[in-house]
Amino acid sequence: TQLLEQSPQFLSIQEGENLTVYCNSSSVFSSLQWYRQEPGEGPVLLVTVVTGGEVKKLKRLTFQFGDARKDSSLHITAAQPGDTGLYLCAGEKDSSYKLIFGSGTRLLVRP
Amino acid sequence: DAGVIQSPRHEVTEMGQEVTLRCKPISGHNSLFWYRQTMMRGLELLIYFNNNVPIDDSGMPEDRFSAKMPNASFSTLKIQPSEPRDSAVYFCASSYLAGPSFGPGTRLTVT
Repeated sequence: TQLLEQSPQFLSIQEGENLTVYCNSSSVFSSLQWYRQEPGEGPVLLVTVVTGGEVKKLKRLTFQFGDARKDSSLHITAAQPGDTGLYLCAGEKDSSYKLIFGSGTRLLVRP
Repeated sequence: DAGVIQSPRHEVTEMGQEVTLRCKPISGHNSLFWYRQTMMRGLELLIYFNNNVPIDDSGMPEDRFSAKMPNASFSTLKIQPSEPRDSAVYFCASSYLAGPSFGPGTRLTVT
C-alpha cells in the first residue's frame, strides 16, 4: 500500500519554466520532509514542514504543508538544469522515527 | 565533517553467496537506519537502531537478512544466502533529532 502518492512521476521542462510537484495522502502526518536525490547518491534533505498550512522557502523552492497535514507541494520557480533529480517526499507519523517515502518525481530540466 | 560512509559502493555477487554491507554513521547521531531502494518499491525501511539497539526490524524481508550495530560508529547488514531479487541500492542513514542523513548507498547486484 502506497501511503504517499507523488505526481507527476516524470517531468521534463525547459530551463526557466516553473513547476509544481505534489505529494498526497489520506493519512495525517506529524511532519513531512522533502528530499532530492541525484544519480549514484543518497537522498539529501531539503526541508521539513511540521505545521498545517506552513510555507517554507529555500531560494527558488517553495514548500507547503496542507492545512490538514495530509498533503504537500513543492514549487520551483525558474527551474535550472541543476534542479534535475529525483524529488522524494517522506511523511512521519505520530512523531515516530518511521518515514514513509513517496514514489518520487523524476525532474529533468533541459538547458 | 564526514557524512555517512558506506562500503562497498558496488557489489556484484552470485546467487547463494553471503553479502555484507557496512556503514559508519555520522559521529554523534544516535539513530541509524538501513533502507533499500528499487524502481518497483521505492525507498523502504529495513531496520532502525536507536543507541545501538535494534528497535524495529519489521521491514527486514526475511530471515536471510540480518543487521548488527556493535557500537555507535559501525553497523552491518548481511544477506545470507543472497538471491537475484535482493538486487537493489542499500542506503544507511543516521540522525539526531532531525531528518536522517543518507550515505551514498551500496549498489548490490546478485546474478
